[in-house]
Amino acid sequence: SQTIHQWPATLVQPVGSPLSLECTVEGTSNPNLYWYRQAAGRGLQLLFYSVGIGQISSEVPQNLSASRPQDRQFILSSKKLLLSDSGFYLCAWTNRGGGETQYFGPGTRLLVL
Amino acid sequence: DQQVKQNSPSLSVQEGRISILNCDYTNSMFDYFLWYKKYPAEGPTFLISISSIKDKNEDGRFTVFLNKSAKHLSLHIVPSQPGDSAVYFCAASQRSGGSNYKLTFGKGTLLTVNP
Repeated sequence: SQTIHQWPATLVQPVGSPLSLECTVEGTSNPNLYWYRQAAGRGLQLLFYSVGIGQISSEVPQNLSASRPQDRQFILSSKKLLLSDSGFYLCAWTNRGGGETQYFGPGTRLLVL
Repeated sequence: DQQVKQNSPSLSVQEGRISILNCDYTNSMFDYFLWYKKYPAEGPTFLISISSIKDKNEDGRFTVFLNKSAKHLSLHIVPSQPGDSAVYFCAASQRSGGSNYKLTFGKGTLLTVNP
């Protein structure tokens, strides 16, 4: 069966510090991968998606970037965090061939102080 | 511009009764709709989905209804249980080039089922 992992689970970082969040998927090949953010009291906002290694599409301009160095690994990064980057970050995957249903990881709660 | 709207931020029902969560959308290009359940500090869990070519899909206690002409869908939970208490997100999917599908989420409805 497929599983998706995210770490760390919780992170507190000062403004201006760098960020690296990691997501890995097991039990599937060639997944589409997604990064979402849920800000307090709001829905899920799609940040990035990837249909293959090295292929990244950005949905909204922001202070973040994403990379996919391996087929089942998706990384969310920032060089300098802002207060507004605080939120709950979720990674999701779908099967490449029939991918309307996205399956989510446990999430990372980021607090920027 | 919010393309998927859940107009009720919260809903409270008694255990054993029916819970009805509503969702409206504006984009006629959406062709697949999903409901997710989310507990605090956890990722959303997929519940049930429906294709735009259908008007009903049932899975155990959960039924999703789709009214395409009204651009409205609803999730019915019968009977409601205290463990159903969570935030429910409605999501709509559209193809985004090649093999990718993009989901647009509503802001969620907090369901509380009282014992």
